[in-house]
Amino acid sequence: SQTIHQWPATLVQPVGSPLSLECTVEGTSNPNLYWYRQAAGRGLQLLFYSVGIGQISSEVPQNLSASRPQDRQFILSSKKLLLSDSGFYLCAWSVGRGLVLNTEAFFGQGTRLTVV
Amino acid sequence: KQEVTQIPAALSVPEGENLVLNCSFTDSAIYNLQWFRQDPGKGLTSLLLIQSSQREQTSGRLNASLDKSSGRSTLYIAASQPGDSATYLCAVSTGGFKTIFGAGTRLFVKA
Repeated sequence: SQTIHQWPATLVQPVGSPLSLECTVEGTSNPNLYWYRQAAGRGLQLLFYSVGIGQISSEVPQNLSASRPQDRQFILSSKKLLLSDSGFYLCAWSVGRGLVLNTEAFFGQGTRLTVV
Repeated sequence: KQEVTQIPAALSVPEGENLVLNCSFTDSAIYNLQWFRQDPGKGLTSLLLIQSSQREQTSGRLNASLDKSSGRSTLYIAASQPGDSATYLCAVSTGGFKTIFGAGTRLFVKA
């Protein structure tokens, strides 16, 4: 069966420090991968998605970047964190079927990031 | 621009009650609609996925309906239990890789 791992679960970082959040998926090949951010009391905002190794699409301009060095690994990074980067970050995957997104999305357990 | 709204924002019910959570969306051109459950500080768990060609899906005590023409979906929970307490999110996929989420309904079931 497929599983998704996301770490760390919580993170407290000072302003200006770098960030690296990692997500890996097991039990499937060539998944579509996603990074979302969830603000308190609001819906999830899609930050990045990837349909394959090295292919990253950004949905919103921001202080963050994403990379996909391996088929089932997705990394969210920042060179210098801002206070506004605080939030709950969620990684997700779905079966890769090109541009037709008609499948379920599965989420990791999330990372609570607090920038101080 | 697709927008997803969930009403109510919060709901408290006694154990055993049947309840309905509502989700509305502004653009009926969707690929699918998915209901998720989120426990505090945790990720999302997929509950039900309704394809655009379907009217409803059922899983145990949960039943989700979809009316694309009116831009509405409901999640029906039968015989609610304290373990059902969580935030319930609906999300619509509108093409490409865009999935738009509602802000969720926070449910509390009292024992």
